[in-house]
Formats: sequence, structure tokens, C-alpha cells
Amino acid sequence: EVRLVESGGDLVQPGGSLRLSCAASGFTFSTYWMNWVRQAPGKGLEWVANIDQDGRAKHYVDSVRGRFTISRDNAKNSLYLQLSSLRAEDTAVYYCAREIWGNPDYWGQGTLVTVSS
Amino acid sequence: QSALTQPPSASGSPGQSVTISCTGTSSDVGGYNYVSWYQQHPGKAPKLMIYEVTKRPSGVPDRFSGSKSGNTASLTVSGLQAEDEADYYCSSYAGSNNGVFGTGTKVTVL
Repeated sequence: EVRLVESGGDLVQPGGSLRLSCAASGFTFSTYWMNWVRQAPGKGLEWVANIDQDGRAKHYVDSVRGRFTISRDNAKNSLYLQLSSLRAEDTAVYYCAREIWGNPDYWGQGTLVTVSS
Repeated sequence: QSALTQPPSASGSPGQSVTISCTGTSSDVGGYNYVSWYQQHPGKAPKLMIYEVTKRPSGVPDRFSGSKSGNTASLTVSGLQAEDEADYYCSSYAGSNNGVFGTGTKVTVL
């Protein structure tokens, strides 16, 4: 059974930093692109970043480029998202998702990031 | 990359059908047969309902079906049931290892 479990969400002040983690199991993690997708309260889904199987190719939505960094550790079956220079508009539930042909198939349960003073 | 356009809401009575559209461009929906649909209940993670335009993952009822014509994909839910009330999102491959989501549609079962 494919399982994705996010952690690391928290309340953080504007300008602060946070690191999200996603533990994967039930599939060969190293053979899939992986995504982070977020959903602000009461809003729709927004793709944030993705990373290729080797961790070399990375793509970001314009609004987070230069502030967020996606990475992975295939030995630990784990995906990460380093969030920096956080803004109020980054407040959202962040989902880890496995990707196939540009689209997520399996999703984690999400972790809440709240940016507020 | 602009979000794919979906109607904000759709509704139907139990047993009826409802169809949700997802309009993009020739660079995403129209250019690839990699459109997916997700169902999201309040407070829950999205669940994959349709992938590669028409395919259903194991366990998804055959009441859910997908199609595509040109730059517009569609999700049809036949024989509406109370548990189908949820938000639905489309997504499409958009080239260069990127994807794009739709704006979302709230389906209400009357």
C-alpha cells in the first residue's frame, strides 16, 4: 500500500523558516518524480514544486522560487521542502504527492503551515 | 502557467448525472492525454478518481467517467449519490515536467 506521511508544519512568524518532511512507503520511491502541492484555507490546489527521481531536476511555481527548496533522500525514502522568507500568503496545508506524467496520483494527509505574528 | 478553468459549482439530484468541464489550452489539456481528476471532501486529502483522461484507478466506482475534446476535459458522475458531494479538481500535464490544476468545482447533491 502506497503511504505518504507529511510532518513539520507549524506556526511561524513572517520571514521565518520551516522544513517539511514526507516519509514514503509502499512503492519504489527512487523511481518516481515527487511533488509538493499546497492549499490555502478555503482555496484551491496549487502546485508548489517537483523533483525528479535523482534529485537533479527541480521546478518551482514562480511565487516560491528562490524562497523554497525541494530535495529528497532516496536512501531514506523521504521528500523535503525547505521554506524560507515565509509570508502570510504561504499559509496553507502542504501535501506531498507522488507524480506520474505531471499529475499527482497518491497524496499524503497534509501538514499545516501557518505564517502569522 | 495559468490554472485550468472549471465552473465554481455544479449540482444534481440523487440518481441524476452531473458533468464538470475543465478548459485549458493546446499547451496542456489539448496537447497531452494526461488529464486527471480528484475528489476532495472537507478536511481530507484529494483522491485520484480519473487519470490519463479516461482511466479509473482500482476501487473507483464506474459511475465516474472522463473524456476530452480539444482543449476541454470533462468528468461525468452518473447516478449521483450523497457521498459524491465534494470538491472536484482537474489537473493536466503541461510539458517540461510541469503540471497545472483546475480552479475547482463544488458538487452539491440536492
